[in-house]
Amino acid sequence: DIQMTQSPSTLSASVGDRVTITCRASQSIDTWLAWYQQKPGTAPRLLISKASTLQSGVPSRFSGGGSGTEFTLTISSLLPDDFATYYCQHYDPYSSYKYSFGQGTRLEIK
Amino acid sequence: QVTLRESGPALVKPTQTLTLTCSFSGPSLNTRGVCVSWIRQPPGQALEWLARIDWDDDKYYSPSLKPRLTISKDTSKNQVLLTVTNMDTADTATYFCARIKSSGGGAWDVFDIWGQGTVVTVS
Repeated sequence: DIQMTQSPSTLSASVGDRVTITCRASQSIDTWLAWYQQKPGTAPRLLISKASTLQSGVPSRFSGGGSGTEFTLTISSLLPDDFATYYCQHYDPYSSYKYSFGQGTRLEIK
Repeated sequence: QVTLRESGPALVKPTQTLTLTCSFSGPSLNTRGVCVSWIRQPPGQALEWLARIDWDDDKYYSPSLKPRLTISKDTSKNQVLLTVTNMDTADTATYFCARIKSSGGGAWDVFDIWGQGTVVTVS
């Protein structure tokens, strides 16, 4: 089974900062990688699919990149609304473990 | 517009069977391309995928939980059901249902619309 590891687990930043969250796969996953944002008490929100495709309605300050085993989610200039927990998610069309999530990165206000 | 809403008991006892319902508002669950999953999140922990059911009744399960899970659909009510047998305190979590979207190539790879979740406590 492919393991997804996010870093850091917690990230402290200020409004206006540029931040990057990393997700690493235990083996190559092409670009089968998505990113979600979750705020306390709410369901996750899909931000990016296929490593870099921004979903409709998601602000352009969010961007995704990478392929193979290393992926990034970058927020170019943090707004107060961006402080949340972010998860990466892998889809494996060949495995019984079709969907796996990273352990999450909590983005908190410094 | 597609919406999903989970429902079920808030409290179950250890060893009991949990049955959760996901009411799917939108196209029929039999419409080609409609796939729905269940995902759970223990308090303060990460998301965990549980099961998926497709428009053609294909089903997929998390291997670690497969012996305890059954996913099904009631097309007359446009609902997706999940049963979890032999509940344990470790199954305490918020349970979400979500629609799966394809990013292309026939791969249903991301969860684009989620329900609000239902909290289940095992005690």
